[in-house]
Amino acid sequence: DTGVSQNPRHKITKRGQNVTFRCDPISEHNRLYWYRQTLGQGPEFLTYFQNEAQLEKSRLLSDRFSAERPKGSFSTLEIQRTEQGDSAMYLCASSLGVQTTDTQYFGPGTRLTVL
Amino acid sequence: DAKTTQPPSMDCAEGRAANLPCNHSTISGNEYVYWYRQIHSQGPQYIIHGLKNNETNEMASLIITEDRKSSTLILPHATLRDTAVYYCIVRVAEYGNKLVFGAGTILRVKS
Repeated sequence: DTGVSQNPRHKITKRGQNVTFRCDPISEHNRLYWYRQTLGQGPEFLTYFQNEAQLEKSRLLSDRFSAERPKGSFSTLEIQRTEQGDSAMYLCASSLGVQTTDTQYFGPGTRLTVL
Repeated sequence: DAKTTQPPSMDCAEGRAANLPCNHSTISGNEYVYWYRQIHSQGPQYIIHGLKNNETNEMASLIITEDRKSSTLILPHATLRDTAVYYCIVRVAEYGNKLVFGAGTILRVKS
């Protein structure tokens, strides 16, 4: 298996710009998760997809954030009108989705810096 | 909210066993104990999980007390590459249930 991949690995942007990140899950994994991690903290859940359906969203996911998984494979996370507080590592994870205890496998993350 | 308590940091000598404790005194009967680790600037890496029996895989062993209120992750022969933040997470076995990370334990393996 190739692991979860995320692109880009690093993104520097100016406040007010829009950014989009991509996550490619492990092949045949039908669950996909997005987390955010700020410096010195553990990752925090943002949202979750079962195939193409977005089933849960955290209160952290403000209306400037939107996530899609149009064909149930890769996913994108867009942040509009970025703010300095959006600077963080954005992590994607996937799981097979056949058991309640299925393990989530994480990608390397996209580090966003908003200037 | 995280339901686990871990020491903020631990040191271990290279080649020795690293024993990382975790308290989860409010764990419910349908909650599993998961361990992940995160090496600097990388995504979290799954290590092991268990419900009530002790578990072992190629990376580590998980010892869960009989009352399930605490557990210990054991890295049998720690190497410098095991230096990381280790997260203990309790998670209900439900479809799509998210992971709730606490602050974890920083394990420093020293030569």
